Amino acid sequence: GAGVSQSPSNKVTEKGKDVELRCDPISGHTALYWYRQSLGQGLEFLIYFQGNSAPDKSGLPSDRFSAERTGGSVSTLTIQRTQQEDSAVYLCASSFKAFSGNTIYFGEGSWLTVV
Amino acid sequence: KQEVTQIPAALSVPEGENLVLNCSFTDSAIYNLQWFRQDPGKGLTSLLLIQSSQREQTSGRLNASLDKSSGRSTLYIAASQPGDSATYLCAVRHGSGNTGKLIFGQGTTLQVKP
Repeated sequence: GAGVSQSPSNKVTEKGKDVELRCDPISGHTALYWYRQSLGQGLEFLIYFQGNSAPDKSGLPSDRFSAERTGGSVSTLTIQRTQQEDSAVYLCASSFKAFSGNTIYFGEGSWLTVV
Repeated sequence: KQEVTQIPAALSVPEGENLVLNCSFTDSAIYNLQWFRQDPGKGLTSLLLIQSSQREQTSGRLNASLDKSSGRSTLYIAASQPGDSATYLCAVRHGSGNTGKLIFGQGTTLQVKP
């Protein structure tokens, strides 16, 4: 596609339920990033994938959070047993290569509300 | 630990004014710095990317400068327009480049009044 695509765009879930957020990066981009933006907060790094290398998971806030990237393309961020503090916008981004000066392109985000 | 600060947090100017947004970072060993724009309820749009070896980048009415030694970057917007109203974020990638992590500032929310 022309840009980074994320789904769902909005999700309301009950506390304790699991959610999956999907990211479809720009075709050909080998690097994929997940960030979180809470109300009134800056962007918080969660995880990134670069090609076939082991992902950098250093930003995941707890073991309830996990992410996969299948076939080097689509990525899914899974949040288990959601808590109210997980409510945020989850932003996905991609670039041609992480370890370079390439521009990073963001999707429009998945707005998660945990009630 | 790298910290990125943006000043001011909010700015309101009349249409037509030239303005400067500031970004500072605590660790000068950056790989590159990127300026983004975020409209309400939207994702981020990349504006300018400055490599650590560069001093400035220009795109249309936008000019971004980088002074690594002092840990500062500025985004200059010429002849501001109401359509420039948005939140502007700067982000740095750490020095060796062997990380995908960007560290973001909190942003400057700009309002340009007609």
